Amino acid sequence: DQQVKQNSPSLSVQEGRISILNCDYTNSMFDYFLWYKKYPAEGPTFLISISSIKDKNEDGRFTVFLNKSAKHLSLHIVPSQPGDSAVYFCAAPASGSARQLTFGSGTQLTVLP
Amino acid sequence: EPEVTQTPSHQVTQMGQEVILRCVPISNHLYFYWYRQILGQKVEFLVSFYNNEISEKSEIFDDQFSVERPDGSNFTLKIRSTKLEDSAMYFCASSEALGAQGNTIYFGEGSWLTVV
Repeated sequence: DQQVKQNSPSLSVQEGRISILNCDYTNSMFDYFLWYKKYPAEGPTFLISISSIKDKNEDGRFTVFLNKSAKHLSLHIVPSQPGDSAVYFCAAPASGSARQLTFGSGTQLTVLP
Repeated sequence: EPEVTQTPSHQVTQMGQEVILRCVPISNHLYFYWYRQILGQKVEFLVSFYNNEISEKSEIFDDQFSVERPDGSNFTLKIRSTKLEDSAMYFCASSEALGAQGNTIYFGEGSWLTVV
């Protein structure tokens, strides 16, 4: 049961351009979403989060947008930098649990110099 | 910046042997977790721990797994009799207690377990 889906396994963008990573969810009870970045052989690093009472949250180059009616969220990185190349996971607390995260399958972002 | 630390970074063990993975969560955090990621698969929740007891566990966390907080700083995952399919990266994580910010879970760098 894939409650959090990332349908694009990979994305390549040019340095300086915008990266848009997408995530869909099926559970309308989710009220909090997180994005994590992961480099090979390292743990997921928290990037940015958004509560369902908001539709946008911005932190520097990173902005997360939430469209509750479409059950869709996206992470925008602008401008993209080569150091942003990593796997990006969206995650949400699992149904009935405030603490257990359900992860998407991840999107490998490659930023080309 | 405070971080979750894990040891060992990599362990190779023979099938059937016991393994203990160690973690030091962020010091003011009260919730502790273990997740794992089998190569090429999703990050999966194993167990959460609060107030010295398991608060939630997944179906993966069967009787061969156990967790313990032996002192005020360490949090351990024990796999009693390892199987080949236990080979994975195991991530320890922690979070604060309350509020939206408390929902942010911070991960360690992982312990890569290889069962041969």
